Amino acid sequence: EDKVVQSPLSLVVHEGDTVTLNCSYEVTNFRSLLWYKQEKKAPTFLFMLTSSGIEKKSGRLSSILDKKELFSILNITATQTGDSAIYLCAVEAGGAQKLVFGQGTRLTINP
Amino acid sequence: GAVVSQHPSRVICKSGTSVKIECRSLDFQATTMFWYRQFPKQSLMLMATSNEGSKATYEQGVEKDKFLINHASLTLSTLTVTSAHPEDSSFYICSAREIGKGASEQYFGPGTRLTVT
Repeated sequence: EDKVVQSPLSLVVHEGDTVTLNCSYEVTNFRSLLWYKQEKKAPTFLFMLTSSGIEKKSGRLSSILDKKELFSILNITATQTGDSAIYLCAVEAGGAQKLVFGQGTRLTINP
Repeated sequence: GAVVSQHPSRVICKSGTSVKIECRSLDFQATTMFWYRQFPKQSLMLMATSNEGSKATYEQGVEKDKFLINHASLTLSTLTVTSAHPEDSSFYICSAREIGKGASEQYFGPGTRLTVT
């Protein structure tokens, strides 16, 4: 059975700190791994990763995939209170044509 | 572009009644729409995959007679929660995949919060 596991489940830090969120997976026919940010409504897309070792970057957020060790990390530097959200990792498994989501990491940034 | 809407955004209904939630792709055609359920402080759980013009594929443990899905056109899918009970109270999110694109290219609707009293 396809599985995506995120850690930690919850994280509380102070504004300005750097955080690293983890996502490991076990799926058949891996196609891509995606990161989303969810505040109060629908998830918003952050990154899609398909190749190992290539960092994707958007402002203070960056992510990288390791297909050998089957995990990805999402880094947020110089965190701000607006970064407080649930961060979801999802994997697309080729045969299933669907996304399998991890449990999410609830990130809280305190001022 | 790539906007998905859901209606209603919030609904309260009495136990035993049925509720219909609409999911529309506003500026693209979607052969496939996905329905997710999210409990408080939990992740998205896929309920079913809805393909235009054919029967939906339900995930294990999801009752197809309770959660009726209809995908009658390339821009509209509906989820009907029949004989709703308080335990059906949840946040329901749909997403749509454009024709020819993979599952990774899903666009999410804003969600519908269902409360069953």
